[in-house]
Amino acid sequence: KAGVTQTPRYLIKTRGQQVTLSCSPISGHRSVSWYQQTPGQGLQFLFEYFSETQRNKGNFPGRFSGRQFSNSRSEMNVSTLELGDSALYLCASSVPPSGANVLTFGAGSRLTVL
Amino acid sequence: SQQGEEDPQALSIQEGENATMNCSYKTSINNLQWYRQNSGRGLVHLILIRSNEREKHSGRLRVTLDTSKKSSSLLITASRAADTASYFCATDGRRDDKIIFGKGTRLHILP
Repeated sequence: KAGVTQTPRYLIKTRGQQVTLSCSPISGHRSVSWYQQTPGQGLQFLFEYFSETQRNKGNFPGRFSGRQFSNSRSEMNVSTLELGDSALYLCASSVPPSGANVLTFGAGSRLTVL
Repeated sequence: SQQGEEDPQALSIQEGENATMNCSYKTSINNLQWYRQNSGRGLVHLILIRSNEREKHSGRLRVTLDTSKKSSSLLITASRAADTASYFCATDGRRDDKIIFGKGTRLHILP
């Protein structure tokens, strides 16, 4: 069965712009989590969605937002981009919400902010 | 803040040797997982150990968990070039079940 699909894979934006990233989970997976990965900070938890509701949230400013649709697909949005937002954004899906469940990751969306 | 902290940050060993990575965490957990990441790609799940388990094996991998010391170790036996990757521990807490990752150990297997 198809894995977790993230689009776009690469994108370049300039400061002040906004960006929307998309994640399609594995069929049957209803929970989607987002992480930001940078060389200095490692993987930082952004948020988790289950049944179109945000279950958990990390310590990121309000410029970072997300949503989940009825088909479990999820999007995250970053507004007013800053240079420090350059990162690999990873999406992961699991059957039920987090916990004793394995996360299946997509290949990531690499965002460069100039 | 990060829950897990891996040690060492980087490790280089000869092919065929064993590699050991450690993870320490701060609060009580339900489960601890280890993941592997190859060169800036997505992470791949390796193994999950529950808080009431002390040791688990999967192929060449052995994971131990010491909840009294809030630490875990991942042992890769008979390393291969293909094991070159970054390894992350991830925990979900009892109070907050979001899965939090450490900064990882970069493992390099020398030919």
